[in-house]
Amino acid sequence: DVKVTQSSRYLVKRTGEKVFLECVQDMDHENMFWYRQDPGLGLRLIYFSYDVKMKEKGDIPEGYSVSREKKERFSLILESASTNQTSMYLCASSFGSEEQFFGPGTRLTVL
Amino acid sequence: ILNVEQSPQSLHVQEGDSTNFTCSFPSSNFYALHWYRWETAKSPEALFVMTLNGDEKKKGRISATLNTKEGYSYLYIKGSQPEDSATYLCAPKDTGRRALTFGSGTRLQVQP
Repeated sequence: DVKVTQSSRYLVKRTGEKVFLECVQDMDHENMFWYRQDPGLGLRLIYFSYDVKMKEKGDIPEGYSVSREKKERFSLILESASTNQTSMYLCASSFGSEEQFFGPGTRLTVL
Repeated sequence: ILNVEQSPQSLHVQEGDSTNFTCSFPSSNFYALHWYRWETAKSPEALFVMTLNGDEKKKGRISATLNTKEGYSYLYIKGSQPEDSATYLCAPKDTGRRALTFGSGTRLQVQP
């Protein structure tokens, strides 16, 4: 079974902190994605990566950056956390245009 | 950003009812359409990936159809059960973008 894991299920940070969310997949997928989910807004794409060191902005990249140094790991970085980044963050991976496999999510609260 | 619309936003049905939802998307440059089910406290799981106009896919009591020329897909659930309660997301992909665009979902609640 494909497994996508995320470093934390729940995280509480303070405004201005630098926050790292990590995602690891074990199926050698070349594509990895970071989404955030807010009530009534569905899943919105923040960034994705289609290969090691390759990244592309999604629909809401402002305030975020990403890193993919190894194929299995994709990190989302909040350079200076703000309260409007309080959200559920989901990581996913896929092979080509096939179905995406999602991690369990990280619920981030920024105080 | 693709304009993806799902309707209805939410739906309450009784156990045993059949139901259907709609996903509308731009028909130009179509590449694929994904359907996902997202149960509370779990991760979204893929139901179907559809690529061909007129495609029909089925998984148990759930089926989906695709019309790429007019830009819509229907998801049907026959004889809804409480375990079908979830948010159903559609996500089209066009040829100009590597990533999916998710709709805001249809939230289904099935009352026993």
